[in-house]
Amino acid sequence: DIQLTQSPSFLSASVGDRVTITCRASQGFSNYLAWYQQKPGKAPQVLIYAASTLQTGVPSRFSGSGSGTEFTLTISSVQPEDFATYYCQQLNSYPPYTFGQGTKLEIK
Amino acid sequence: QVHLVQSGAEVKKPGASVKVSCRTSGYTFTNYDISWVRQAPGQGLEWMGWISAYTGNTNYPQKLQGRLIMTTDTSTSTAYMELRSLKSDDTAVYYCARVVGGEFFDPWGQGTLVTVSS
Repeated sequence: DIQLTQSPSFLSASVGDRVTITCRASQGFSNYLAWYQQKPGKAPQVLIYAASTLQTGVPSRFSGSGSGTEFTLTISSVQPEDFATYYCQQLNSYPPYTFGQGTKLEIK
Repeated sequence: QVHLVQSGAEVKKPGASVKVSCRTSGYTFTNYDISWVRQAPGQGLEWMGWISAYTGNTNYPQKLQGRLIMTTDTSTSTAYMELRSLKSDDTAVYYCARVVGGEFFDPWGQGTLVTVSS
C-alpha cells in the first residue's frame, strides 16, 4: 500500500502569508491525489483533485502541484477562514485510498 | 443538489455491533461508489473501505477484514456500514462519502459519532 507523509504537521501563519504543505508518497504514482480541508466538527471538503485541478467553488488562492512521490498544496494569501486542518489523499491504487496524517494550519 | 445524510449517534458496549446508514439523494445512486472514513477523537482520517453501488463489490483494509460489512440498498439509495466486535478504539466519527470518478470524495455525509464504552 502507498503511504503518505505530510509536512509540516503543524504550521503557524499570519493572514496574507503564502503557505505550502507537502505530501510525500512511499512510492511514485500518477496524479490521483486530492487535497481536503477540514474545520472542527465538520466533514472534510475537497479543494484539489488530480493533483492540480481546483474543485468548483474553491477560491483561486488554493493551488496544487506535483507528481511521482511529491505533491504540494499552496495557499497564496492565507485568509481567516483558511485556518483548518488539511489532508492529502491518494486514489491511485484502487483501493485503498490512503490519507496523509494531516497538517493543522494555525494563526500566528 | 447531492446530499448524503447519515444516521444518528450511537453508544455501544465492547463486543457489540453498530450499523450506520448513509441515505443519498440528488444523483443516480448506482453511478457512483461509496467509501467510508473514520476519525478517532483528535486524530486524522482513516479510510475504512469502499463499495461499488453498481455491483456491490467491496474492498476493506486488512485491519478491518472480518469485522466490517458494507452493503447498499439500491431501492432506497442508501449505503450501510456495519462494524462488529466493537472495541474502545473503534470510538470515532464515521463518515460516508461519494467517490467521484475515482479521483476524489465529494460530498461527505455529516458524520456519525460511535462511542464504544462499557
